[in-house]
This record gives sequence, C-alpha cells and structure tokens, in this order.
Amino acid sequence: SQQGEEDPQALSIQEGENATMNCSYKTSINNLQWYRQNSGRGLVHLILIRSNEREKHSGRLRVTLDTSKKSSSLLITASRAADTASYFCATDPEGSQGNLIFGKGTKLSVKP
Amino acid sequence: DTEVTQTPKHLVMGMTNKKSLKCEQHMGHRAMYWYKQKAKKPPELMFVYSYEKLSINESVPSRFSPECPNSSLLNLHLHALQPEDSALYLCASSQERVQSYEQYFGPGTRLTVT
Repeated sequence: SQQGEEDPQALSIQEGENATMNCSYKTSINNLQWYRQNSGRGLVHLILIRSNEREKHSGRLRVTLDTSKKSSSLLITASRAADTASYFCATDPEGSQGNLIFGKGTKLSVKP
Repeated sequence: DTEVTQTPKHLVMGMTNKKSLKCEQHMGHRAMYWYKQKAKKPPELMFVYSYEKLSINESVPSRFSPECPNSSLLNLHLHALQPEDSALYLCASSQERVQSYEQYFGPGTRLTVT
C-alpha cells in the first residue's frame, strides 16, 4: 500500500537553482526518510528525520517535517547536474516495525 | 564497508527456468530486504529477514522463494516466472528491523522474463 505522495512528479531546473520536493503521507509515522535513485540503479539514503524533529540539515540538503499536516519537504540548494535523479520519500509507519513505504517519487532534472 | 552487492546485474530467463538472485552485505546488519521495482514506480517490499528469520512476506507469489543462508547473504530463488515479473529487484539491509535505521541498497538485478 502506498503511503507517501511526492509533489511535483517531475521538476526541471538550471544548475545553481534550488529544488524543493514535497511529500505527503496518510498515517502516523516513526520517521520519514529521503532516498535518491539514479536511473536504473539502487537507492541511496539521504536523510532521516524522526517524528519529533521538525528540521534537519545535511550538506546542501534541508528536510522539514510537519506531522500535523502529515507532510515533509526536501530542499536541495545550489543544485548541480549530478543531482539529476529520482527522489523518494519513505515513511516508517507506527506499528510497521521498520518496514518502509515509498512514495511515487519526484524526477529531478538539473540542466548545466 | 558500507556496500551491498547483488549478482547478477542483469538476468534474462524464460518462464520455465529456475534462477537465483544473490545479495551480500558485510556491515553486520541483522535485517535484510527484497524489493521489486517496476519502471517509473517506487520500490515495493517483498520480503524481510530479521536475524536470518523471515519476518515479512508481503503476499508474494510462491514462484518467488527467499532464503537467508547466513547473516551476510540473502538469496531470491525464481521459478516459473511470468513476463509481468520483469522488474528491477533490489536488496537492502539495515542495522536492525526496527524504526530509525536507514536502509542500504544494492545496485539491483534487472530481470527480464521472456
């Protein structure tokens, strides 16, 4: 069953611009994670934010979590062509014992 | 070593064949996962092993048979697959099968069933 829903489905920006992706989910969660997937490859973990956290930073990444709205956002600042990939949010619903449910993903294209 | 390896990278098999996908990690993780990902779709959980015991089977058809020979290895045995089973099969591992641990993914096996 699908839990997360990313928005937009696709995003095209110029190098140096910021990219913002949003994720909405339906049930209470233990944590929310963001992953990146280059075309046809495995997923790479980017950042994990717990349900009691509101904001987290990692390098050029900034993630926010609003549990009252059941939504999260991923901001990539000063984007690079190498950031071109699909980005997925994955929720760990309460009671799921760590089983992640992935959203549909946002396909980001960064043009040089 | 934070790597999860998967073999083979590509596999083409007929509907009557038997084949196996292999996954290995040496991070000491106690939870391992199989996901199926169709083109332009998110990964879908198939199986979860925790401490070498099958914890989750997400209603996967019996033509897929998982096996965890030891804490570092995870296999997925395939038999009598259908063309709709063609997909990217991803293996992942995490420190434990509980909340607050990120999953490390392998590069996947691209499976084509003819």
